[in-house]
Amino acid sequence: NAGVTQTPKFRVLKTGQSMTLLCAQDMNHEYMYWYRQDPGMGLRLIHYSVGEGTTAKGEVPDGYNVSRLKKQNFLLGLESAAPSQTSVYFCASSYSETEDQPQHFGDGTRLSIL
Amino acid sequence: AQTVTQSQPEMSVQEAETVTLSCTYDTSESDYYLFWYKQPPSRQMILVIRQEAYKQQNATENRFSVNFQKAAKSFSLKISDSQLGDAAMYFCAYRPHSGTYKYIFGTGTRLKVLA
Repeated sequence: NAGVTQTPKFRVLKTGQSMTLLCAQDMNHEYMYWYRQDPGMGLRLIHYSVGEGTTAKGEVPDGYNVSRLKKQNFLLGLESAAPSQTSVYFCASSYSETEDQPQHFGDGTRLSIL
Repeated sequence: AQTVTQSQPEMSVQEAETVTLSCTYDTSESDYYLFWYKQPPSRQMILVIRQEAYKQQNATENRFSVNFQKAAKSFSLKISDSQLGDAAMYFCAYRPHSGTYKYIFGTGTRLKVLA
């Protein structure tokens, strides 16, 4: 059971380059999330999705775009990478937002922007 | 706005001893959920324990237990019989019962376990 899989695990970009991070989950979860984790800070929500074809902004959405064309996949895009986007990115998914459903996390993607 | 504060950036404990990690939060909501997540060096976030605010009984999962003080808005994690594998970053998280899809995470406490 793979759970939540993030691709790639590491990436180095130059300022201005674009790239897409892929998140895939095999648990049939409706909700998916993208976070960034920076030193000395907790996880901050970038964007989230409550179902196929839907996306919404989180706490720090600027500079990122997302798409949820298929239920199992949630893509995070950087159109023009900036050094401030150097971070570790985590994808998570959950069955629902009711009750106490926890989020299931991927292993993270370490992204460095030079 | 809701906030989650972990005031201990780093803690150390001897193997087999007990350690308590602190977490306080601020909210005007009456119903919500609280979580402790563990992040080992492998980076994956793993759920350790969760607590529903309307339940007065403290949650327990094997060697992990919480001290939930709703009036004080405190949610500490106690790890008993600490093991080397417990070494990790621990994050406290808050989630309102409804209305938003956003978890709020604390800044984390790095736990070192000394052999």
